[in-house]
Amino acid sequence: KAGVTQTPRYLIKTRGQQVTLSCSPISGHRSVSWYQQTPGQGLQFLFEYFSETQRNKGNFPGRFSGRQFSNSRSEMNVSTLELGDSALYLCASSDTGRGQYFGPGTRLTVL
Amino acid sequence: QQQVKQSPQSLIVQKGGISIINCAYENTAFDYFPWYQQFPGKGPALLIAIRPDVSEKKEGRFTISFNKSAKQFSLHIMDSQPGDSATYFCAASKRENFNKFYFGSGTKLNVKP
Repeated sequence: KAGVTQTPRYLIKTRGQQVTLSCSPISGHRSVSWYQQTPGQGLQFLFEYFSETQRNKGNFPGRFSGRQFSNSRSEMNVSTLELGDSALYLCASSDTGRGQYFGPGTRLTVL
Repeated sequence: QQQVKQSPQSLIVQKGGISIINCAYENTAFDYFPWYQQFPGKGPALLIAIRPDVSEKKEGRFTISFNKSAKQFSLHIMDSQPGDSATYFCAASKRENFNKFYFGSGTKLNVKP
C-alpha cells in the first residue's frame, strides 16, 4: 500500500496570508490527524478527522482549521499567518487500530 | 504543561552498545504508549507500542519496558547501529481519544561507528 502523502512538501508564505495543506491517507484508513512540529514545542496535536467529522481537537487558535472529504483525504487551513506558524506540519492516518502512520510533512516558512 | 516527559535530550552510544531512552507520564487515563523514530526530512515512523497491562514488549532489537506503578516507560535499543541514529519520540494516548497523541520532547540518538 502507498503511504501517507502530503502536498506540497515545502511552502513559503508571508505574514497575513493564508495557506492550505493537503493529506492523502493510506488506502482504507478513515482517520486523519494533523500535528505541528517545531524545535521549541515539539510535536503538538492539531485535530483529528474521522468520516468527515472532527473527532478531536488540540489547543490551537481558530485560525487553524481542517476538513475531510468523503474519500478520506484531508486539508488543513491556516489563516492570517504569523511568523510563529513556521513549522513542519505532519499528517497521520490510522485504521481502526491504535497505530498512526505519518506522512513526510509540509515544511511551512512564514516570512 | 507537558503530559509526557522524555529524557535524555540527546544520547551518544558506541556501535554495539545499548541505547536507553526514558519517558514519564502523570495521567493514568493513558492506555497506549508508542515509540516513534524520525530521520531528518521524514515523518515519524511507528517503531513499537505497549499497553499498561504488559511490563515488557520486544520486537527485534527494540524493547519497551513499562512500569505502571512508577508511570514510566523506556525504549531499549540493543546492539545499536549507526543506522539507528535518529530522533526518537515517546507518546501516549487515552482510550476515549485514542488518536490524540501527546508526544515527548524527543531524544536525538547518535550511534558512533
